[in-house]
Amino acid sequence: DADVTQTPRNRITKTGKRIMLECSQTKGHDRMYWYRQDPGLGLRLIYYSFDVKDINKGEISDGYSVSRQAQAKFSLSLESAIPNQTALYFCATATTGATDTQYFGPGTRLTVL
Amino acid sequence: EDQVTQSPEALRLQEGESSSLNCSYTVSGLRGLFWYRQDPGKGPEFLFTLYSAGEEKEKERLKATLTKKESFLHITAPKPEDSATYLCAVHPETSGSRLTFGEGTQLTVNP
Repeated sequence: DADVTQTPRNRITKTGKRIMLECSQTKGHDRMYWYRQDPGLGLRLIYYSFDVKDINKGEISDGYSVSRQAQAKFSLSLESAIPNQTALYFCATATTGATDTQYFGPGTRLTVL
Repeated sequence: EDQVTQSPEALRLQEGESSSLNCSYTVSGLRGLFWYRQDPGKGPEFLFTLYSAGEEKEKERLKATLTKKESFLHITAPKPEDSATYLCAVHPETSGSRLTFGEGTQLTVNP
């Protein structure tokens, strides 16, 4: 089984709808991240969390919210989806330490019509 | 401002034709530099972490090197299965746990 899983893998929704993307990990890592990837813009950080009670905004948090339900679960919500939120969304995990190496999930392809 | 620039944007090689990908960076202080491989529609796969100038790491046909200004990913005798986008990311000392990614180099290896 994969260490980092994301659901759903693909989602098509309409403008104004609320949508939640979920991430689960079995790596035992304490840090979790949400990124979006757009052609020509690379990976950009949306939110990150060091533990259940520590959540931080990334560089593009407007229009998004997150919830860290448990050490192993980190959800990303779009309260009212808009077309320019169409992108690939990735969850990543890392363990506290010298390396801070991040390990990515398989991604969710989100299309907002 | 921390910046990462990867070149070239795209590279097409023949099988067996060795080459290098470049990652130039500007950071206030470097805690680590990461290389990832990404296949279309999939999540980035971790390859290497480099911490200090002069460090080198190898994995199969790939070797990553680091200087104070840039990193190179050398690909020796590539095979078609090496075709992917290669991403470089830096971990600045002042960023907490945040990485800054480059836009990647799309590598195609033709048989």
